Amino acid sequence: AQRVTQPEKLLSVFKGAPVELKCNYSYSGSPELFWYVQYSRQRLQLLLRHISRESIKGFTADLNKGETSFHLKKPFAQEEDSAMYYCALSQGGKLIFGQGTELSVKP
Amino acid sequence: NAGVTQTPKFQVLKTGQSMTLQCAQDMNHNSMYWYRQDPGMGLRLIYYSASEGTTDKGEVPNGYNVSRLNKREFSLRLESAAPSQTSVYFCASSEAMGFKETQYFGPGTRLLVL
Repeated sequence: AQRVTQPEKLLSVFKGAPVELKCNYSYSGSPELFWYVQYSRQRLQLLLRHISRESIKGFTADLNKGETSFHLKKPFAQEEDSAMYYCALSQGGKLIFGQGTELSVKP
Repeated sequence: NAGVTQTPKFQVLKTGQSMTLQCAQDMNHNSMYWYRQDPGMGLRLIYYSASEGTTDKGEVPNGYNVSRLNKREFSLRLESAAPSQTSVYFCASSEAMGFKETQYFGPGTRLLVL
């Protein structure tokens, strides 16, 4: 069955430290993967997607088909990065979300 | 543009009561979705509408019905609310239903069923 797993419920780092939010998936086929973010009191919004291969707000994510992973990385965390992050897999347009990881960046 | 709007923002129901959650989008999108968000479970798809006039079940459809009223509006109905339906409900829309489409989310409706 298709599934997305985010093993960390909460990730706490200090400002300036590197960040890696883990995402593993199970999918038979070529996956389309996304990272969505929900800042406090804001709606869920797209952060980045695999197909675009872009860097948004300093975040990048690389698809590793061998390890079935799509980890989100940022070399230097900022306080404004504190938010809930969801990894999602597109199944014909229907999104399958992971459980979410709350990132807390401390000053 | 308001994007995706949802009403109400918050609702308290008693077990057995019914209610309809409203969703509208002004982006001329063809596809619309309803999700529920529960702690530790992420978002799960309840129902979706690939285009006006069509609706289909998602992962967790039991206890819900939907209506795609027109291209803009997609409502979610709870006929007989149960405490297990206490959740935050999100509506979303996308231009079309495809692997690469970005979904745009509403602000959510927080529902408490007593």
